[in-house]
Parts: sequence; C-alpha cells; structure tokens
Amino acid sequence: NAGVTQTPKFQVLKTGQSMTLQCAQDMNHNSMYWYRQDPGMGLRLIYYSASEGTTDKGEVPNGYNVSRLNKREFSLRLESAAPSQTSVYFCASSEAGTEYEQYFGPGTRLTVT
Amino acid sequence: QKEVEQNSGPLSVPEGAIASLNCTYSDRGSQSFFWYRQYSGKSPELIMFIYSNGDKEDGRFTAQLNKASQYVSLLIRDSQPSDSATYLCAVIQRGSSYKLIFGSGTRLLVRP
Repeated sequence: NAGVTQTPKFQVLKTGQSMTLQCAQDMNHNSMYWYRQDPGMGLRLIYYSASEGTTDKGEVPNGYNVSRLNKREFSLRLESAAPSQTSVYFCASSEAGTEYEQYFGPGTRLTVT
Repeated sequence: QKEVEQNSGPLSVPEGAIASLNCTYSDRGSQSFFWYRQYSGKSPELIMFIYSNGDKEDGRFTAQLNKASQYVSLLIRDSQPSDSATYLCAVIQRGSSYKLIFGSGTRLLVRP
C-alpha cells in the first residue's frame, strides 16, 4: 500500500516550458487535491476533484490545469511555466465525508528559471 | 488579514517541557479546526482535530479551542526531539466541506 505517490520528485523548467505533475493514490479515495507550498505562505489549494470527471478551482488556480483521469489519478499541468510557479507541489487525497483528513504525497520540488 | 495566522517561530523548548503552539483565525463562523505536523522536507500529516470549545486530548497532545477569542492551541507535553517539526493550523472554509485554509506554520525545535 503506497498511499499517495507523486512524480517527479524534482524538476527544473525554463520559463515557458510545459510539464505535467502526476499523482496517484491506492486508498480508493474519492477526493483528490493539488496544493502548492511556498515559504511563509503555508499550503494553498490549487484544484480539487471530488470524483472522476469533476474538478473545482481552489485559491490559486491561474496558470494550472488539472485532469482527473480515473479514481486513482489526478494530474496537474503547467502549460507555460513562470518563475512565480517555483514551489513545492503536494497532491493529497481523502475519503468522502472526512475531507479534512487529507493524506499527502511526498511532494514535487519545481524550480522555474 | 490572513484567515489563519501563526507565529512562524522557531519556538525552542527543552526536552521534557510543554510546547504551546498558537493559531488565530479571522472567520468567526469557522467550525472545524485541524493541526497538521510537517517534518522538514516531508509532507504534512494530520495529528489532531477539534470542533467544540474546550480541550481535546490525545496522548501527549492537547488541542484547545476558544471560539469567542478565535484561537486554537496545540499543547505538546513531555516534548521530545522527535517532535521537532513545523505545525500547521488549518480551518475548513465556511460554506465548503473540503477547502482547508492553512496557516503558514510554526516551527518547533525541541532541544535535547
């Protein structure tokens, strides 16, 4: 039981490049989330998915797109990376009804130069 | 004003002491409060939640909620060096069942 997995662990992009961050969970959770964490800012929600095929914007969605491929997988895409998107990205999942108890993946450290 | 505020620290306490971590929130209608622990370079994990005014104890951890004063505290008794981490306070955004609003966290350092 791996919990929540994320790939890659580290990534360096040049401004304007695109990439997709992958996330998968094996806990059969309905809800999945993407956060970014910046120094002094705490965790901020980018997007949320309550179930396959549904997504909802969070606090900081601009510059990102998401795809809930199936119940297990939730990907985050940066179409044209900007230095302001340098951050640590966490994917999380939770069961319906206990959304506050979120299980986080190990994170992806992204640097945009 | 941030919705959830925490002192960034570091809060330094000697081993065996009580560590007191505080959090204030701006929305008086907030109902549910959570403490996540995050070790350096790792992901957050939920350690406590509290809904009602008063204290809630779980082992060495006690969460305290005072809705009138809009603050939440986490007490760690008999602090251990392994408790050294950043502690994130979070509240559920009013009107949502899932949107957690996190504070920026307080770094705790327990000195051996």
